[in-house]
Amino acid sequence: DAKTTQPPSMDCAEGRAANLPCNHSTISGNEYVYWYRQIHSQGPQYIIHGLKNNETNEMASLIITEDRKSSTLILPHATLRDTAVYYCIGTGGSTLGRLYFGRGTQLTVWP
Amino acid sequence: AAGVIQSPRHLIKEKRETATLKCYPIPRHDTVYWYQQGPGQDPQFLISFYEKMQSDKGSIPDRFSAQQFSDYHSELNMSSLELGDSALYFCASSLGALYNEQFFGPGTRLTVL
Repeated sequence: DAKTTQPPSMDCAEGRAANLPCNHSTISGNEYVYWYRQIHSQGPQYIIHGLKNNETNEMASLIITEDRKSSTLILPHATLRDTAVYYCIGTGGSTLGRLYFGRGTQLTVWP
Repeated sequence: AAGVIQSPRHLIKEKRETATLKCYPIPRHDTVYWYQQGPGQDPQFLISFYEKMQSDKGSIPDRFSAQQFSDYHSELNMSSLELGDSALYFCASSLGALYNEQFFGPGTRLTVL
């Protein structure tokens, strides 16, 4: 799995965009970038994933740099319910789908 | 929409006892993953099954075993329980083993006394 690096914590005002960065400089060509989040003690929740192109779904947008060494998860209008630990995970290829949850980013959304 | 079901939700055992955790994947999902999350830690991958065969193995102790049955549900068997086994155990399911989102269950909280 690609080693990923994320800031340990971030905060964001409710209603504003939350931009969560992730460095994954060792990601290989066939590894996807996945984002999951975990609200306190609940099961992790899938957010979005991408390979090379930017992706958007109903939850978030994922911007991947052209060299694929970093990415940014964007929550366009953060709410209090978005307070969670966000994990950026590089997986696929030989890892058979297992997810390696490294140290994620604790996002706190404040009113 | 149907979600991943785990049972029991809470389990209390004594040291050296055994425990069985069950996971019922989303209908039509053929892959099941097990993760362990200790207090204050991040989830750690234990083992996975694809089409009833073990597909990958992580840092699972030899005291633990798991299998996936013909109806695709999975069970994690834990023997000779230790205090350090106290954790949240999550099961996740997906359709296919690669490049697919995993849907996680609510977890089983195991406490070993």
